[in-house]
Amino acid sequence: EVQLVESGGGLVQPGRSLRLSCLGSGFTFGDSGLSWFRQAPGKGLEWLGFITSKTYGEATEHAASVKGRFTISRDDSKSLTHLQMNSLKTEDTAVYYCTRDLAVTAYENWGQGTLVTVSS
Amino acid sequence: QSALTQPPSASGSPGQSVTISCTGTSSDVNTYKYVSWYQQHPGEAPKLMIYEVSKRPSGVPDRFSGSKSGNTASLTVSGLQAEDEADYYCSSYAGSNNLLFGGGTKLTVL
Repeated sequence: EVQLVESGGGLVQPGRSLRLSCLGSGFTFGDSGLSWFRQAPGKGLEWLGFITSKTYGEATEHAASVKGRFTISRDDSKSLTHLQMNSLKTEDTAVYYCTRDLAVTAYENWGQGTLVTVSS
Repeated sequence: QSALTQPPSASGSPGQSVTISCTGTSSDVNTYKYVSWYQQHPGEAPKLMIYEVSKRPSGVPDRFSGSKSGNTASLTVSGLQAEDEADYYCSSYAGSNNLLFGGGTKLTVL
């Protein structure tokens, strides 16, 4: 069974940094493209970015809204993907999800999400 | 770029069919085949229901179908069941590694 488990969320002050992690199991992690999303309370989904597999160069793309502040990475030896978030703002408050990509823009498997609250 | 436009709500009785629309522009929905639909129950993670306009992932009932015409994509749920009551989100690739989402449609099974 494919599983993705996010961790690292919590309460953080504006301007600080936070790193989220996502542990994958039940599939060949290294062969999978991975993406990150977020959902602000009561709001819709927002794509944050993706990282391709090593086969495709571990290329990354980030949404314009977070480019320069957020960085996606992966550690295939530990079946982990990370979302490094810097210079956090109150509007970054959301549940953050990682996904395993089935195809281009098709995100088949989702973690349970981890809540990040940015507040002083 | 603006989000895709979905009706805020839709409803139908058990056994009926309901269609949810997702309107974009000539730069996204109309241009690319990468339209997806997600179902989200309260407090849960989204679930992929349709990708590449009309493909169903393994395990998704064939009661769910997708289509596209011009700038508008549609999700049709046939034979409505109580468990179909959820929020539904559409997404479309918009070029330049940009992915747009609709605002979501709350589907109520009457």
